[in-house]
Amino acid sequence: AQSVTQLDSQVPVFEEAPVELRCNYSSSVSVYLFWYVQYPNQGLQLLLKYLSGSTLVESINGFEAEFNKSQTSFHLRKPSVHISDTAEYFCAVSDMGGYQKVTFGTGTKLQVIP
Amino acid sequence: DADVTQTPRNRITKTGKRIMLECSQTKGHDRMYWYRQDPGLGLQLIYYSFDVKDINKGEISDGYSVSRQAQAKFSLSLESAIPNQTALYFCATSDSNPGTGELFFGEGSRLTVL
Repeated sequence: AQSVTQLDSQVPVFEEAPVELRCNYSSSVSVYLFWYVQYPNQGLQLLLKYLSGSTLVESINGFEAEFNKSQTSFHLRKPSVHISDTAEYFCAVSDMGGYQKVTFGTGTKLQVIP
Repeated sequence: DADVTQTPRNRITKTGKRIMLECSQTKGHDRMYWYRQDPGLGLQLIYYSFDVKDINKGEISDGYSVSRQAQAKFSLSLESAIPNQTALYFCATSDSNPGTGELFFGEGSRLTVL
């Protein structure tokens, strides 16, 4: 069984300030890790993913996440947020087994304040 | 055009009515999924299909049924809708090759049951 915990349901932050959205997971097998973003009135889209290799992964719009196996975490960070980053962010894991079962966290709403 | 298309995008219906949500994809993926999103609960898996002849129940399949009419089409039915099925529904696809579990989502279907 696997689970994903996003402790912060909402994170307000001022524009141009840094932000960290936390994600911890638990799994009995090795996993792939994902962050998805949902802008208002839209579907989810992939922000970044960790499959293997370097534990630090980056998105094209300045977000980064680091896979920490010992702490079973995959926190999402951005050094300076913009108004356009206002959205809900979901952390997800899929197991490396035959079915790649995907488990989502409950989401964190990032509200960027002008 | 979107790679994963859901119809209808919005639907209001009454208790007891039969509702069908349709999903079609042009990504050529073999795996398709139906998720339900409720505020604060993240995404919950209703049903998933790994190919046309393979249909599996997810976490919350009670009250729902599905049909995989072709590799590109996966529909979700509510045989007798009830108010607590009011939610945002997402169709998603993934590719068993490379098989990482990365999901591609439609824009969502908002269902309101009165």
